[in-house]
Amino acid sequence: KNEVEQSPQNLTAQEGEFITINCSYSVGISALHWLQQHPGGGIVSLFMLSSGKKKHGRLIATINIQEKHSSLHITASHPRDSAVYICAVEGGTSYGKLTFGQGTILTVHP
Amino acid sequence: ETGVTQSPTHLIKTRGQQVTLRCSSQSGHNTVSWYQQALGQGPQFIFQYYREEENGRGNFPPRFSGLQFPNYSSELNVNALELDDSALYLCASSLDLNTQYFGPGTRLTVL
Repeated sequence: KNEVEQSPQNLTAQEGEFITINCSYSVGISALHWLQQHPGGGIVSLFMLSSGKKKHGRLIATINIQEKHSSLHITASHPRDSAVYICAVEGGTSYGKLTFGQGTILTVHP
Repeated sequence: ETGVTQSPTHLIKTRGQQVTLRCSSQSGHNTVSWYQQALGQGPQFIFQYYREEENGRGNFPPRFSGLQFPNYSSELNVNALELDDSALYLCASSLDLNTQYFGPGTRLTVL
């Protein structure tokens, strides 16, 4: 079993839909990251969370430390949101060393 | 645009050869981490350098080595290339182990 599990692995949506991507982890962490990767490889850091909730534009990330679970929500999805979304965790004593989930491939159709 | 650059963008090598990949961090960032991402997989942590010293290593053999320089650039060296080394290699820089900023990656193909 991987230390970081994401669901779903693939997600297809119509423009305007509300999207949720889930991440569960099995280790103690100091922080959880949500990252976006477009075709061609470049990775962009969306959020770094250690508790609660963060919002940036149409993106919202939440984390429940007790349940070892985080969600990334996209409101009013748009085709330009199509990308791979990756959850990664930093261990309690391994600052800066990320363990990644396998990613969720999101496709938003117009 | 993260301010982190990597070179080259693409590279083709043959088995047994050696390769050096380069990363230029954001100015002032004293930490760089290197990751290997095989096709269809999430990135795997290779190692991290903090203030020019190795600060942790993932499950990679010694033929993967690195350097970090005072000008915020760094290198990943891989000796005796194997077919399974074909992957996207990502570097990420940060200041004092905070939010990491990723470069665009170098795609290495080993034939």
